[in-house]
Amino acid sequence: QKEVEQNSGPLSVPEGAIASLNCTYSDRGSQSFFWYRQYSGKSPELIMFIYSNGDKEDGRFTAQLNKASQYVSLLIRDSQPSDSATYLCAVTAQDSSYKLIFGSGTRLLVRP
Amino acid sequence: SQTIHQWPATLVQPVGSPLSLECTVEGTSNPNLYWYRQAAGRGLQLLFYSVGIGQISSEVPQNLSASRPQDRQFILSSKKLLLSDSGFYLCAWKISGTGDQPQHFGDGTRLSIL
Repeated sequence: QKEVEQNSGPLSVPEGAIASLNCTYSDRGSQSFFWYRQYSGKSPELIMFIYSNGDKEDGRFTAQLNKASQYVSLLIRDSQPSDSATYLCAVTAQDSSYKLIFGSGTRLLVRP
Repeated sequence: SQTIHQWPATLVQPVGSPLSLECTVEGTSNPNLYWYRQAAGRGLQLLFYSVGIGQISSEVPQNLSASRPQDRQFILSSKKLLLSDSGFYLCAWKISGTGDQPQHFGDGTRLSIL
């Protein structure tokens, strides 16, 4: 059973702090990794994607990938109340690059 | 730029009634298309995906079916809805041919079965 695991949260951080969201995956052959943000009642929207080990930065967001540890994370710097949402981690399935396997998401709450 | 349209936004149906949800993509050719269901407070469950016209891959055995009658049109159907079919249905697309490209979601249909 291929799995993507995330802590359901809620992860509560004060405004201006760094929020760290973590994700582990079981399929060692996964090649591509995605973070989506989903506001309550809305559809997921793509935040970032990463393919290579290391860090990838985009504005206030940094994705980190460690394939040896099968671990991917998302850091949000200078967290804002508008960042409060559920963050979904997704990885490609080894048996089909057409498919993504999604975690259940971590709910982030940024306190003003 | 590419856009994805999904309708209706909300739907209330009685148990045993049929279902048809439609999704269309604009601004790209031969996209990969996907139907997901999200139960309340849960992750995304892949239901069907298609890599071309007339081609459908089913991920979960159930009373739902999918069709792709045109390149950029994806339809989710059921002949008889069950209570367990309630949920948030999401259509997604991605550029064909490479696994690296992300999927992009429509606004979703919230389906309630009475």
